[in-house]
Amino acid sequence: GAGVSQSPRYKVTKRGQDVALRCDPISGHVSLYWYRQALGQGPEFLTYFNYEAQQDKSGLPNDRFSAERPEGSISTLTIQRTEQRDSAMYRCASSSRADQPQHFGDGTRLSIL
Amino acid sequence: QQPVQSPQAVILREGEDAVINCSSSKALYSVHWYRQKHGEAPVFLMILLKGGEQKGHEKISASFNEKKQQSSLYLTASQLSYSGTYFCGTEEAAAGNKLTFGGGTRVLVKP
Repeated sequence: GAGVSQSPRYKVTKRGQDVALRCDPISGHVSLYWYRQALGQGPEFLTYFNYEAQQDKSGLPNDRFSAERPEGSISTLTIQRTEQRDSAMYRCASSSRADQPQHFGDGTRLSIL
Repeated sequence: QQPVQSPQAVILREGEDAVINCSSSKALYSVHWYRQKHGEAPVFLMILLKGGEQKGHEKISASFNEKKQQSSLYLTASQLSYSGTYFCGTEEAAAGNKLTFGGGTRVLVKP
């Protein structure tokens, strides 16, 4: 596609449920990044991949959060046993390679009840 | 530790100029600038690599002083379309392509 595509756009779930957020990067982009953005704040780094290899996961808040990109294209961010504090906008970005501009998707708005 | 942006907000009349600053306590490899409009994704403006180069995008330009670990974004002859929140994202030396974003500067351009 023309841009980074994320799904779902909105996700409302009950506390304790698992959620999976999907990111489809710009075709051919090697690097893929996950961020979390609170209202009125800048994006907060979570993790990133080059091809299928997870290069840095230092921003993942705890072990309930995980991400994968098994075939070096689509990526999934999974949050297990969700908590209310996980509510946020989750954004994905991709770049053609590691030293190039990152292009953001429209995000998934996650609300935990 | 995230970079510090100043000012936090600025109101301009169309045609006026403004400067947004981004300062880090860490040695930097590059600085990325983004603009985000309400309810939308951040949009890439420009990257500055260490070397003090200045880049431009429309009438928006930026500079990067790696010795001072600072970058500045210059909005010249502002247009209504420049309204939004501007974020700097810093890439630390030897930290890969991981960006740390500042808290943002809200810019409102009035007619």
